[in-house]
Amino acid sequence: AQRVTQPEKLLSVFKGAPVELKCNYSYSGSPELFWYVQYSRQRLQLLLRHISRESIKGFTADLNKGETSFHLKKPFAQEEDSAMYYCALSRRGGGADGLTFGKGTHLIIQP
Amino acid sequence: GAVVSQHPSWVICKSGTSVKIECRSLDFQATTMFWYRQFPKQSLMLMATSNEGSKATYEQGVEKDKFLINHASLTLSTLTVTSAHPEDSSFYICSARTLGGGTDTQYFGPGTRLTVL
Repeated sequence: AQRVTQPEKLLSVFKGAPVELKCNYSYSGSPELFWYVQYSRQRLQLLLRHISRESIKGFTADLNKGETSFHLKKPFAQEEDSAMYYCALSRRGGGADGLTFGKGTHLIIQP
Repeated sequence: GAVVSQHPSWVICKSGTSVKIECRSLDFQATTMFWYRQFPKQSLMLMATSNEGSKATYEQGVEKDKFLINHASLTLSTLTVTSAHPEDSSFYICSARTLGGGTDTQYFGPGTRLTVL
């Protein structure tokens, strides 16, 4: 069975500092990986997905198949980045499959 | 953008009663919707996949007779928690699949908090 691991429950960094949220996965096939963000009192929103290779709100994530990782990075953190971040995996890609989520990392950006 | 709504946003019921939760795609048609469950301070866990016009597919360990899913139209899926007990108290979240804009994406509803007394 597939699994997504986010080792950090809580990550606190100062404004302007670099941020890296770790995500590792296990799945025997070729999954699609996503990062979802949940701001306080809001619903889950798609932040980015590995196939699009975009930078959203300054965040990037590169799929490393050798290390089975999909870490989320931002060079300079902003206070509005404070939120809950979930890494997720889809076995068949896109929206065809229910997602397997990691436990989430609560990112706090201190002023 | 694609919007998914859930109703009610929260519900309190007595043990032994049944509760229905609706998930609607407001501005798009969704042939596939998903139901997740989130316990406090834990991650989302997929419960079932709901396809319009066919039976839902349940994940291992999810009781299909307890969590009845109906996807009667392209914009509505319902989850009925039958004979609810306190251990069913949780946050239930749905998502809907859209192929709009050339992308294949799931959009999430705001969730429904169920408390069973």
